[in-house]
Amino acid sequence: GNSVTQMEGPVTLSEEAFLTINCTYTATGYPSLFWYVQYPGEGLQLLLKATKADDKGSNKGFEATYRKETTSFHLEKGSVQVSDSAVYFCALSDRSDYKLSFGAGTTVTVRA
Amino acid sequence: DAGVIQSPRHEVTEMGQEVTLRCKPISGHNSLFWYRQTMMRGLELLIYFNNNVPIDDSGMPEDRFSAKMPNASFSTLKIQPSEPRDSAVYFCAGGDRGRTDTQYFGPGTRLTVL
Repeated sequence: GNSVTQMEGPVTLSEEAFLTINCTYTATGYPSLFWYVQYPGEGLQLLLKATKADDKGSNKGFEATYRKETTSFHLEKGSVQVSDSAVYFCALSDRSDYKLSFGAGTTVTVRA
Repeated sequence: DAGVIQSPRHEVTEMGQEVTLRCKPISGHNSLFWYRQTMMRGLELLIYFNNNVPIDDSGMPEDRFSAKMPNASFSTLKIQPSEPRDSAVYFCAGGDRGRTDTQYFGPGTRLTVL
């Protein structure tokens, strides 16, 4: 079956620090990979996605590269802001039924 | 586009009462998903529809839960009778199956069962 494992939090950083959240996956097929972000009191928003090996998704300074050889999709941002404080979810879709399998989520807090 | 609309945003009810959660997906989206989020279990897929037809309801926890999608612009999730362990945030999400596997989430309904 499909599953996603992501780095456990919580993660606390200072403003302008470098952020990495690790994500690895297990899939029976060739999945699409996603990072969703959930700000306090809100629903999940798509942050970025990648649909094939070596693709790099990017948005709002965040990046993640689809690594098929290591089955990973790590999220990175070079300089975080207080406004990046949120819960980040790694997810995959195996494209056969369009269901998403989510990781447990990583809570990130950025302090000024 | 207004995005996915859910109502109510907050619901407080007493154990044993019927609860109905509502969702209006983005116009043109042909798939709809209901999720439940709790601290203990994270995000769980309850049921999903494709072209208004339920495809997989294996995540629905018990017979107390039911979901309908009478047309492309409206879906309900009903809990009858409700129990305190049903307290959670319930999300509706939609997508345009066949064109993209991205799902677009609503703001959620926070349900508290006393």
